[in-house]
Amino acid sequence: GAGVSQSPSNKVTEKGKDVELRCDPISGHTALYWYRQSLGQGLEFLIYFQGNSAPDKSGLPSDRFSAERTGGSVSTLTIQRTQQEDSAVYLCASSPRTSPTDTQYFGPGTRLTVL
Amino acid sequence: AQSVSQHNHHVILSEAASLELGCNYSYGGTVNLFWYVQYPGQHLQLLLKYFSGDPLVKGIKGFEAEFIKSKFSFNLRKPSVQWSDTAEYFCAVNAPGYALNFGKGTSLLVTP
Repeated sequence: GAGVSQSPSNKVTEKGKDVELRCDPISGHTALYWYRQSLGQGLEFLIYFQGNSAPDKSGLPSDRFSAERTGGSVSTLTIQRTQQEDSAVYLCASSPRTSPTDTQYFGPGTRLTVL
Repeated sequence: AQSVSQHNHHVILSEAASLELGCNYSYGGTVNLFWYVQYPGQHLQLLLKYFSGDPLVKGIKGFEAEFIKSKFSFNLRKPSVQWSDTAEYFCAVNAPGYALNFGKGTSLLVTP
């Protein structure tokens, strides 16, 4: 079956611009997570959604970062006024339920480069 | 704050050598532990996980890991590596809550 998909695969933007990154989770998965992977920092949790509940935003690094999940499916991560330190690979993952023992299935990521 | 430490950042092995990658975590309560692998050009995928029961967990491709609660460790092992095991390996914990807390990763290169 189809896995987690993300778009675009690559995004190059100028400092100060806003960007939107999209994630399509595996159909039927109720939990969705965003992480970012950068040199030196490794993989960091950003935000997660569980069904229709309020998201856990505890990993967002600043108020320039926000995310939404429409209809319990597709999610968009928005970064406003991008900075060079935002350059990273942004990964999305989904899991069947909101259980901490569930496997999270990762997408291919969006590589963001801020010039 | 909880943390996950992977001791080896870069490992180079010859084919057929044995592998052990270290992982330690700092959290005193109930933990769920994972090893993920990222092959070159591919997505992160699960190798194995532990959340209860037998502390020796077997995963895909001949990998196994042992949870030692007293040492806060979850080391990954494979008796005989292959060139196709060249990848980056990440240990992760998701206690408390649901989000994964990853180690910095270990890059493994297996030479023919």
